[in-house]
Amino acid sequence: GENVEQHPSTLSVQEGDSAVIKCTYSDSASNYFPWYKQELGKGPQLIIDIRSNVGEKKDQRIAVTLNKTAKHFSLHITETQPEDSAVYFCAATPGNSGYALNFGKGTSLLVTP
Amino acid sequence: GAVVSQHPSWVICKSGTSVKIECRSLDFQATTMFWYRQFPKQSLMLMATSNEGSKATYEQGVEKDKFLINHASLTLSTLTVTSAHPEDSSFYICSAMGRGEKLFFGSGTQLSVL
Repeated sequence: GENVEQHPSTLSVQEGDSAVIKCTYSDSASNYFPWYKQELGKGPQLIIDIRSNVGEKKDQRIAVTLNKTAKHFSLHITETQPEDSAVYFCAATPGNSGYALNFGKGTSLLVTP
Repeated sequence: GAVVSQHPSWVICKSGTSVKIECRSLDFQATTMFWYRQFPKQSLMLMATSNEGSKATYEQGVEKDKFLINHASLTLSTLTVTSAHPEDSSFYICSAMGRGEKLFFGSGTQLSVL
């Protein structure tokens, strides 16, 4: 099965700085890589995703990069704001309907003013 | 679009009672829904895959008689925790496959068993 590793487990940055979270996956058949943001007591919210036929995707301050050869993908948040503070999870899946996501262990991001 | 509604958001029950959690896809049909469990400061653990009109598929180690799943329609899946005990206390989250094969999550249910 798929094994997703995520680093770091905690990350603290100053407001305005960039934050980078990295994940690796084991199953070369995986082709869909979403990122979720989870605030305390709430369900995960999809913030960005990427499929294996794309190397990079950007949405305002958030970007995701994918290196299929090395089997790793990263989340980049620029110009961080205190409201970005949350737990971020990466995930991987073969991407076909009915396949569940395998999640990383999460990164607790703290953005200090 | 792609809103998943889950309720209740929190429930407290006595040991030995059963609790039902509902998960609805509000603006799309979901033939497949997933139920996850999450302990404090940990990742999401897949419990089962719920398929409309058929039996759920449970992950290894998850007791199907303890966690009953019913996916009676294309917009509703329910998880019933039967004969709940304190060790069942956890955050339960459902998800559904929406447009573009993206997975959307409900807001979660915090279950506390006394």
